[in-house]
Formats: sequence, structure tokens, C-alpha cells
Amino acid sequence: QVQLQESGPGLVKPSETLSLMCTVSAYSISNDYYWGWIRQSPAKGLEWIGSLDHRGNYYYNPSLKGRVTISADMSKNQFSLKMTSVTAADTALYYCARIGGHFGPWGQGALVTVSS
Amino acid sequence: NFILTQPHSVSGSPGKTVTISCTRSSGGIDDNYVQWYQQRPGSSPTILIYEDDQRASGVPDRFSGSIDSSSNSASLSISGLKTEDEADYYCQSYEASNPTWVFGGGTKLTVL
Repeated sequence: QVQLQESGPGLVKPSETLSLMCTVSAYSISNDYYWGWIRQSPAKGLEWIGSLDHRGNYYYNPSLKGRVTISADMSKNQFSLKMTSVTAADTALYYCARIGGHFGPWGQGALVTVSS
Repeated sequence: NFILTQPHSVSGSPGKTVTISCTRSSGGIDDNYVQWYQQRPGSSPTILIYEDDQRASGVPDRFSGSIDSSSNSASLSISGLKTEDEADYYCQSYEASNPTWVFGGGTKLTVL
């Protein structure tokens, strides 16, 4: 079945850039669906960060736009998240997920802590 | 963009029924489908209800979803409460004009 796995550093310094990768198995991200990043913190609950579609179009949460870039490597079946100028408020569990009407499946999540 | 507002917490006794609301701040609740997710501690969210009232595969019929245009809200009802239903529940919808996805703040269900 389709599986997603997040990877990346668990600790990022304030003002630096957060980088995460989502590797998808058992389905080609270039075939169909949207593919997205979501984060979860105690303060904000689940927050949609941004998505890409199978045609390579990108969509971002307006509240984060300007700091977030999502990109995809279709040949490796991966998509990535970069978030610049991070602060402690960006400390969260970051998920990637497939979106087809609803979110799912989800990755297991990657905890990112912003701290010096 | 709109906001989806949920109660922070609800509780109920085993065997009883609880309802969790999800109110849309602007636009109509029926403008876009509403989904509901369950998240148990330490796990990723899983889909319960999609397209307002459709149960996902494997979800017991104790779980049901609905929308109410008069209150501009969606509801998740759980009947025959079980201790295993203790979890966080999130509603989610979508803005099609400039594709964006919105989650509610989540509701913690306690089964007393």
C-alpha cells in the first residue's frame, strides 16, 4: 500500500532554514492526487502548510507564504519542504500526506525543534 | 480564508452518544465537503468521515457525520461510546478558489 516517510534534521536553530523530505512508496506522485505538508503543535493543532499537485503546481497556506517552498523530484518520488527564518513557534511535528478529497495516508511525522 | 471552530473538549459515558461540532466562519458549510479525522496519542490522524457523511472503510457505523446549513456547521456523532474512542477529533474542509485546506482546532474526547 502507499506509504509516506518524512526525513530531516530534528533540530534547527532560530532564523535558519527547516528542510524536510517526504519519500513516497508504492505510488508515483506524478500520476495523480495532491501531496501535502501539515504540521501539528500543541498551540495550533493541525495546520496545513502547503501542497503540490501531480502536474507540479504549488499551493501554500497564506499565513506562511513567503517563508515556505515546496518542491518535488518526480524521478525519486519525493517532495520536500523548506521553511525559512524559523522561530520557536515553528517547533512542531511535521507530516506529509497524500490528498485526494481527504488527507491520507499520512507519514508517521517528523519532530522538528527550533532551538539554539 | 475561513476558520473552522470546534469545542476544545467533550466527554461522555460508555454507551452514550456525543456530538462534536465544527462551525465555519465564512462561506457556506455546504460550499465544500467536510472531513473528520481521529487521532489517537502517538499516532497520525486517520480518516473517519469524508464528503460530509461518508464513513471511511472499516469505520463502525457508530460514527456518523452531517452538516447543518442553518448553523453553518458540521457535526460528528459517536454513539455507543467506548473507551477506545478516547482521542482527538479534527474536522477539515477546503477552499477551491485558490486551493487551500483548513483544519479545525481539534476536540479532545474523554470517555468517563
